[in-house]
Amino acid sequence: AQRVTQPEKLLSVFKGAPVELKCNYSYSGSPELFWYVQYSRQRLQLLLRHISRESIKGFTADLNKGETSFHLKKPFAQEEDSAMYYCALKLYGGATNKLIFGTGTLLAVQP
Amino acid sequence: GAVVSQHPSRVICKSGTSVKIECRSLDFQATTMFWYRQFPKQSLMLMATSNEGSKATYEQGVEKDKFLINHASLTLSTLTVTSAHPEDSSFYICSARYLGRSYNEQFFGPGTRLTVL
Repeated sequence: AQRVTQPEKLLSVFKGAPVELKCNYSYSGSPELFWYVQYSRQRLQLLLRHISRESIKGFTADLNKGETSFHLKKPFAQEEDSAMYYCALKLYGGATNKLIFGTGTLLAVQP
Repeated sequence: GAVVSQHPSRVICKSGTSVKIECRSLDFQATTMFWYRQFPKQSLMLMATSNEGSKATYEQGVEKDKFLINHASLTLSTLTVTSAHPEDSSFYICSARYLGRSYNEQFFGPGTRLTVL
């Protein structure tokens, strides 16, 4: 079954510390994975996608097919990084493709 | 660009009444829109995929007669919660797919908080 797992509901770190938000997936096809972020009182927005292999706001994520993981990392956390982070998997098939989301991890960066 | 709006942002209704939520893509045409439901401190659960000019595709366990979806134009999809009950109280979020030249991306609306008394 297709599934996205984010094992941590809350991750609390101090400013300047490294951050790693974990995401594991289960999918029989070729995965296309994303990280979305939701800041307080704002809408969900795309942070990065694995296809682009980009770094956004200092965050990176590498797809590891062997471990079926797509962990989000940042070497030095900032207070403004505090937000809810969702890992998402695009499913293909049928009339259209769609995104399914993990349960999310709340990142709290302490001063 | 690529802004998605929802209206209303918040609605309170009595049990048994119906509530309509609108989702609009403001500066792009969206052949596909998605409706999600989010419970407090939980993830987004996909309810249905709405394609312009055709019937919506509902996820397993979502009652299509309860949650009516209409995608009448390339910029508007509506979700109607019929005969609402307190257990339908939730945060409903729509998303519209933008088809760019080299990629496609889902843009999300701000959500609608539904409270059924």
